[in-house]
Amino acid sequence: AQTVTQSQPEMSVQEAETVTLSCTYDTSESDYYLFWYKQPPSRQMILVIRQEAYKQQNATENRFSVNFQKAAKSFSLKISDSQLGDAAMYFCAYRSGRENNDMRFGAGTRLTVKP
Amino acid sequence: EPEVTQTPSHQVTQMGQEVILRCVPISNHLYFYWYRQILGQKVEFLVSFYNNEISEKSEIFDDQFSVERPDGSNFTLKIRSTKLEDSAMYFCASSERLATYNEQFFGPGTRLTVL
Repeated sequence: AQTVTQSQPEMSVQEAETVTLSCTYDTSESDYYLFWYKQPPSRQMILVIRQEAYKQQNATENRFSVNFQKAAKSFSLKISDSQLGDAAMYFCAYRSGRENNDMRFGAGTRLTVKP
Repeated sequence: EPEVTQTPSHQVTQMGQEVILRCVPISNHLYFYWYRQILGQKVEFLVSFYNNEISEKSEIFDDQFSVERPDGSNFTLKIRSTKLEDSAMYFCASSERLATYNEQFFGPGTRLTVL
């Protein structure tokens, strides 16, 4: 079974600085998709960024980028120029490419942004 | 921007009682999901639903759970006889298409407390 591990329950970053959130996963599949979701306090989860496993190029969305290391099964999220609005829970998620509807989540990392 | 909505935001019930959690997915979406998150634990997949039937369910989704799309807009999760361990946040999600790359849009969640 696929598992997703986020080893950092909490992280803190100074406004305008860069922070990296870690995520590792375990799978025997070669075709899958990885996601980072953000959950602000009392708000719903929203998709931040996604990566197809067959793509070697790391996904980037504005200030958000990933470091996808397929061999190491690592999928970290880098937030550049951190803003106060980035404060949230961040969930890493895995989804099989077999059209399995199941999305597997990590336990989450709570990011605090200090002004 | 269209959003997934969930009601109620917080539900308190006595053990053994039935509860119905309601979700209104985004209007043109065809695939619907329920997840739950026990406090301090991972977000876990419960069930997916398409074309008025369950397409996938996890081992958590046992006989006490059922889902229904009673009309064209609502998607409900019923827990027949609640147990203390059912206390959790329940998230509804919807997506436009089945493809695993497609984003799932999440609702804000319903916090269920079973006393």
